[in-house]
Parts: sequence; structure tokens; C-alpha cells
Amino acid sequence: NAGVMQNPRHLVRRRGQEARLRCSPMKGHSHVYWYRQLPEEGLKFMVYLQKENIIDESGMPKERFSAEFPKEGPSILRIQQVVRGDSAAYFCASSRFDGVLETQYFGPGTRLLVL
Amino acid sequence: SQQGEEDPQALSIQEGENATMNCSYKTSINNLQWYRQNSGRGLVHLILIRSNEREKHSGRLRVTLDTSKKSSSLLITASRAADTASYFCATGFRDKLIFGTGTRLQVFP
Repeated sequence: NAGVMQNPRHLVRRRGQEARLRCSPMKGHSHVYWYRQLPEEGLKFMVYLQKENIIDESGMPKERFSAEFPKEGPSILRIQQVVRGDSAAYFCASSRFDGVLETQYFGPGTRLLVL
Repeated sequence: SQQGEEDPQALSIQEGENATMNCSYKTSINNLQWYRQNSGRGLVHLILIRSNEREKHSGRLRVTLDTSKKSSSLLITASRAADTASYFCATGFRDKLIFGTGTRLQVFP
């Protein structure tokens, strides 16, 4: 049973470009979470999705960031018009049920560098 | 901020010694989880303790939870060089995990 998959593992973008980060949850998991980690800091919650639904996006910046988890295919975190401050590691996690009551399993992360 | 804090921020010990890390949090919780992160890698889930539990063991790991003090501790016994990593506590709050700031553990051979 493959774990949570994320791609790309590393992504370099110039300011103003778009970044698309993909996350495939573990088999049988229908809950996906995105977190951001700045250097030397802990993870900060961004968004919680179930298939075709955004459940909680309280941690998402209001502009330029969006997330989706379609019926088919991976979850996508999209950052438009990236700025240097977006440089961070972005982690995806998945769980079978509500992640607060169940263990969340994390992917290896995507490290975004904005030049 | 809802973010918890961990203490100490960094810890260096010799192989064979025990390592204790503490976590304090601010909100009521459903559970508390501990994760390990090796440098430049993703998070590995270590242990989950529910709010109605006081202590839990898993191999060389021992976790305690004191909800009255809003604190938890992670004890790693007989540490090994391979335990070198950052350790984070995360509290389950509504539908998300709130992570602490982490403790960087270095175990010298």
C-alpha cells in the first residue's frame, strides 16, 4: 500500500509564475490536508478537503492560493503569481476519516523555491 | 495564535541516554499526536494519545498527557544516533492539527 505521494518533490519558480503542487492520498483515504512549513518552523494548517468539497480553508491566504480535490485524480494546491515569501515546504496528509480522530499520514512534501 | 510550544527547542545527548521533550498547548483537544521529521524529509507519525488517556507506550517511546495543565511529554529511552531528528507535537482541534514549534534532537554516537 503506497503512502501519500506528492509531486514534484522540488519546484523552482520565478516571481509571478504559477505553482501547482499535487497530492495523491493513501488508498482508501478520502480526507486530504495541506500544510506549509517555513524554514526552522513547525507546520501550519492551510486547508482540509474531502472529495469535491473544501471543508476548512481557514489557513489559506485569501488571495493567490486555491485548492481542489476532484472526484478523480490527485488533490491540487495552486499558487498564482508566486512571491518570494511563498518559498516553503508544502506537505499533504491524508486520513481515512476525520483527521482529528484518526492518524494523518504525511507525504514527503514539495519544496517550493521562488527566485 | 493557537500554536503550541515545545521545550526545549534543541536537545543534544549521547547514545544510550534518555531524551524528554515537552509540549504545551492552548486549546481543548480531541487528541495529541507526536511526529518525527528528519532533515529535509516529511513527517512520520509516532504516537497518538486521546484526551481521555494519561499515558501511552510504543516501543522506546512513552507519551504522557495532562489535560489539566494542557501539556504532554515524549520520552525516548535508550536513544540511538538514528533518533536524531526534529520532533513535533500536534493537537487535534476541530478538523485540523495544530503543530508545535518542534524540538531538534541530536544524538551523538
